[in-house]
Amino acid sequence: DAEITQSPRHKITETGRQVTLACHQTWNHNNMFWYRQDLGHGLRLIHYSYGVQDTNKGEVSDGYSVSRSNTEDLPLTLESAASSQTSVYFCASSESIGPYEQYFGPGTRLTVT
Amino acid sequence: AQSVTQLGSHVSVSEGALVLLRCNYSSSVPPYLFWYVQYPNQGLQLLLKYTTGATLVKGINGFEAEFKKSETSFHLTKPSAHMSDAAEYFCAVSGGANNLFFGTGTRLTVIP
Repeated sequence: DAEITQSPRHKITETGRQVTLACHQTWNHNNMFWYRQDLGHGLRLIHYSYGVQDTNKGEVSDGYSVSRSNTEDLPLTLESAASSQTSVYFCASSESIGPYEQYFGPGTRLTVT
Repeated sequence: AQSVTQLGSHVSVSEGALVLLRCNYSSSVPPYLFWYVQYPNQGLQLLLKYTTGATLVKGINGFEAEFKKSETSFHLTKPSAHMSDAAEYFCAVSGGANNLFFGTGTRLTVIP
């Protein structure tokens, strides 16, 4: 069965370190998304990609970057981790034709100390 | 522009009672509408979606939602709540673009 996976599921890191969260999907979807989820804020879009070599900023992109070198993967990098980036991160994917329903990964809980 | 408003960040119901979670949307084009459920420590799972056609949409676990264009609403209902329905529920809208716009979520508590 097709799926979307994230790794690691839990990560503790120190302020200032670079961290990369992995996202891999086997749906063969062109669209991929990264969200963060915090209490009181729901889901906020960090970055998204509509295909290989395409990346776009979401509403909370400062301090994050992504790259898309193939269809299956969209890694999210925190260039210099800050305590404000402690959160749960979700990756999602969707087809590039409507209705664009998104399939979510299980999430990565990141703690920055 | 597309947006979603979910009325009530927390809703409590007794086991066996009606569940009603409210969602109002804004869209400049005919919308696609979704309800997702998130159980503790899990990702979001699609409950149901409206694309075109019948305005009453049935989903998994006995949930349904009705698209009302005149009210710009897409409320989620279930006739009889189960303990297993306790979760967070998100309404989302897509207005002809590749992205979804999510509401801030409603946490449902089921009281035994």
